[in-house]
Amino acid sequence: DAGVIQSPRHEVTEMGQEVTLRCKPISGHDYLFWYRQTMMRGLELLIYFNNNVPIDDSGMPEDRFSAKMPNASFSTLKIQPSEPRDSAVYFCASSYVSLVSETQYFGPGTRLLVL
Amino acid sequence: DAKTTQPNSMESNEEEPVHLPCNHSTISGTDYIHWYRQLPSQGPEYVIHGLTSNVNNRMASLAIAEDRKSSTLILHRATLRDAAVYYCILRDVIGGSNYKLTFGKGTLLTVNP
Repeated sequence: DAGVIQSPRHEVTEMGQEVTLRCKPISGHDYLFWYRQTMMRGLELLIYFNNNVPIDDSGMPEDRFSAKMPNASFSTLKIQPSEPRDSAVYFCASSYVSLVSETQYFGPGTRLLVL
Repeated sequence: DAKTTQPNSMESNEEEPVHLPCNHSTISGTDYIHWYRQLPSQGPEYVIHGLTSNVNNRMASLAIAEDRKSSTLILHRATLRDAAVYYCILRDVIGGSNYKLTFGKGTLLTVNP
């Protein structure tokens, strides 16, 4: 398997623009997580899905952020409108939970810069 | 959420063992202890996890105190490639099989050649 795939790897946009980040989890995994990492706040969980259903979105900062998982192999995180304080590295992770394993596998991240 | 406390940074020399401590005095009986690490410019990667007994894998060993209020990640022979931020995390069970990992600041490990 290619691992968790994220696109784009880098994104530079202007304040007010819509940004869409994409994630393809590892095939067979039933959990998908979106994280954001900044120097100030560290690694924060934004939202996660189980079998395509959002379970906990308490980490989503505000209504400008939305996430969807239309099927088991694709998820998006959208920011509309974007603001400079949204600049961060966004990670997607997936996992398969069983009695013996619940390891999260992280993607390479999308580095977002909002000017 | 149960919390963990780790030193901000540690240094080691190449080829020597490294012991990374973690305190989790408020751990509950069902909390698993997870360790992840993040290499520069990469996403976090799983290292090891355990509940009560000491655990070994090809990457590291995890020593868990008898009262489970602390644990130690052991890298038996540090290499330059082990330089990373190491996170000690208690798995939070949300309900049923749903869970989440809450990352703290971690320990920045520097390995000297």
